[in-house]
This record gives sequence, structure tokens and C-alpha cells, in this order.
Amino acid sequence: EVQLVESGGGLVRRGGSLRLSCAASGFTFSTYNMNWVRQAPGKGLEWVSYISSRSTTISYADSVRGRFTISRDNARNTLNLQMNSLRDEDTAVYYCARGLHSASVGWYFDLWGRGTLVTVSS
Amino acid sequence: QSALTQPASVSGSPGQSITISCAGTSSDIGDNNYVSWYQQHPGKAPKLMIYDVSNRPSGVSNRFSGSKSGNTASLTISGLQAEDEADYYCSSHAISSTLGLFGGGTKLTVL
Repeated sequence: EVQLVESGGGLVRRGGSLRLSCAASGFTFSTYNMNWVRQAPGKGLEWVSYISSRSTTISYADSVRGRFTISRDNARNTLNLQMNSLRDEDTAVYYCARGLHSASVGWYFDLWGRGTLVTVSS
Repeated sequence: QSALTQPASVSGSPGQSITISCAGTSSDIGDNNYVSWYQQHPGKAPKLMIYDVSNRPSGVSNRFSGSKSGNTASLTISGLQAEDEADYYCSSHAISSTLGLFGGGTKLTVL
């Protein structure tokens, strides 16, 4: 089955760190660009970060740049998000979302995980 | 990095058609054809409904259609059904800055 499964969410103190992971299965992970998208409680979707299939291109939303680090392990079919210096406004459900195949051009997310909740509290 | 602009809510009766707009700028929607639309039911993950402005993924009803004019994209749902009641989000990409963008979301109510 083609799927993405996030893990690593939980309750963390303001200023603390957390590492999210996303396990991919059912498709050739190494050939797809990947993203993290988050959704604060009762709010809309916010794109967080992008990584190309071979990790050659990485980008971040202004709100997390300098604090979050995206990475991937194509041998383990895993996408990661290291989150440091967490703030109250980082509280959200974090979704792993598949982007385009590396041979394609465009921008959309055609496969989503169920998300993992990160709660930042003082 | 500004979000795309969508109406907060729209409504329609079963069988009717509705259109949701998504306003961007010449740096994102107006600069490429990378507009996509997502449907999200409460407590669920988003689902891709339209990509590249007007293309439907396999399995998405042809009642859903997309278009673009200048810096504004639109999603039209025809023959409204109760199951269409959900939140809808547009997304685009600012190529020059490699940044992703989402609209604020539109809550569709089927009366």
C-alpha cells in the first residue's frame, strides 16, 4: 500500500527540540520530492519545508527558517524534520506530503500522511 | 511570504454549482501554472483534487474543475453533494524563491 506514516510528535517545552519522522512505503521514495506541511488547531494549512529527491534543493518557510532542518534517508525511505527553539506558534499537526517525481516539473502534494501532533507548552 | 487569499466561506444547495477563488500575485499564481486544490474533511488529511490549474487526479469526480485568470485561480464544484461539505485550500509556488504557499482555506457548506 502506498502510504506515509508520521511519528515523533508530542508535548515539548517552549524552547525545546523535537524530531519528526515520516516512513514511506509502497513507492520508490528516492525518486520523489517531499514536504512538511502543518496545521495549527482550527487553522489552515501552512507549507513548512521542501526537500528534493536527492536532497540537492531544500527550502523553508520564513516562519521556521533557521530553527527547523529537513532531511531524508533514501536508504531507509524516511523523511525527517528536526525542530529546535520551538515556539508556542509551532503547535500544530505536522503532515508529511509527497511532492512531484524528480523527473517532473510542478508543485502539488498528491499523497499525505495522517499527521502527528506537536504541542509546545511553557 | 504572503498566503494566497480565499473567501472564508461559501455555501450552496445540493445540485447547485459554487466557485471558490484564490488570489495570488504575479510572483506566484500569475507566474506559473502550478496551482493545486485540496479538500479536507474534519479530522482528516487533505486530499488533492486539482493540480496544474485544471487537471484532476485519477478518482476525483469530474464535478470538480479548476481554472486561472491572471493572478487568480478558481475551483468550481458542480452538482453539489452533501459529501462535498469540507474545507478547501488552494496552493501555489513562488518559483523564484522556491517557497510554497497555501490559501487560508474556504469552508464549503452544503445547505
